[in-house]
Amino acid sequence: NAGVTQTPKFRVLKTGQSMTLLCAQDMNHEYMYWYRQDPGMGLRLIHYSVGEGTTAKGEVPDGYNVSRLKKQNFLLGLESAAPSQTSVYFCASSPRGLGSGNTIYFGEGSWLTVV
Amino acid sequence: QKEVEQDPGPLSVPEGAIVSLNCTYSNSAFQYFMWYRQYSRKGPELLMYTYSSGNKEDGRFTAQVDKSSKYISLFIRDSQPSDSATYLCAMSAGGGSEKLVFGKGTKLTVNP
Repeated sequence: NAGVTQTPKFRVLKTGQSMTLLCAQDMNHEYMYWYRQDPGMGLRLIHYSVGEGTTAKGEVPDGYNVSRLKKQNFLLGLESAAPSQTSVYFCASSPRGLGSGNTIYFGEGSWLTVV
Repeated sequence: QKEVEQDPGPLSVPEGAIVSLNCTYSNSAFQYFMWYRQYSRKGPELLMYTYSSGNKEDGRFTAQVDKSSKYISLFIRDSQPSDSATYLCAMSAGGGSEKLVFGKGTKLTVNP
């Protein structure tokens, strides 16, 4: 029962470096999401996907790119990391999306520090 | 006015107490209401999920939604030290929207 798995769990980057966070889900969910959680800001949606091969912007998409080449995987990329991207990143998935009245299930988080 | 307001606490109670956690919201389009529990350095875990107004009970947890007042609550009976966590309310409108709005969370400590 892995559910939603994120890798890596912790990462320190230097400003300007690039990296990719990987999210994998084994529940055959159609929808996947990337959120960031910051103190005093709550959880904010970065990007989401409504199915394999699709992506869409959320509330705070700038500085991030995503890809969903396989149904079970959703990748979040930082092309040129900035200190403002220091945060905890959560991946989530949903059977058929919030728009259909479903809820979402979160992974354990990835702690990213940009110095 | 923020879409969702949640008192951040912290809230500290003795073991066995009844805990009441609340959120208010301003968007009347919200129909789906959730409560998540988040332990330190972990991901949010779904506790309760309700649609529209009414009550839902699951073990020691009861969720209440009053859409007329735009007010939702989570009650924890016979609280345990293992309930110590941050509780997040979240709500969505459905109808094709993937927007899920979270409260900022209430940090709860249950003391043995």
